[in-house]
Amino acid sequence: ETGVTQSPTHLIKTRGQQVTLRCSSQSGHNTVSWYQQALGQGPQFIFQYYREEENGRGNFPPRFSGLQFPNYSSELNVNALELDDSALYLCASSLPRTNTGELFFGEGSRLTVL
Amino acid sequence: DQQVKQNSPSLSVQEGRISILNCDYTNSMFDYFLWYKKYPAEGPTFLISISSIKDKNEDGRFTVFLNKSAKHLSLHIVPSQPGDSAVYFCAARLSSGSARQLTFGSGTQLTVLP
Repeated sequence: ETGVTQSPTHLIKTRGQQVTLRCSSQSGHNTVSWYQQALGQGPQFIFQYYREEENGRGNFPPRFSGLQFPNYSSELNVNALELDDSALYLCASSLPRTNTGELFFGEGSRLTVL
Repeated sequence: DQQVKQNSPSLSVQEGRISILNCDYTNSMFDYFLWYKKYPAEGPTFLISISSIKDKNEDGRFTVFLNKSAKHLSLHIVPSQPGDSAVYFCAARLSSGSARQLTFGSGTQLTVLP
């Protein structure tokens, strides 16, 4: 069983640029969520995709956007990067109904904005 | 507005003893509570969860207790092992239709001393 994989693992951008992060969900999982983890903090919910549509969003501005593809893989796009966007971006996949409520996380993409 | 709080940023325990990690929450609409473990440069790994309708769940060395009246949960690890040293995140799930959103605490660094 393939776990959640994310790319790239590390990247550096400058303020004002745009970035795209990619995620392949765990086999059979049709729900994908993205989280932002700043240094010393817990992960914060950005949004969730189910059946290629956004069906939940946290307190993030519209310059954070996403896509989910028919194979359940996903992208996170961030426009007009700001210094505070520097963080670990985590993708998580799940089934829409579970007995345990768990999400399966990838290892994350570490974004540094200079 | 921190809906999930872990008030202890760090905890040190001797190998073989019990580790107790605590978490408080404010939103009574959370339907699941989860504990994740995170090693450096890895994504969070699911440990154990508990439904809001239960007060205890056990899995091997890990037991989670939920006190709904106090809006408090705790994770007990018995006996603690050096390999348990990691950051532990408490998370609470909010469900709305097919949307599932986790709210994380800021984490507790557990160090198990040999």
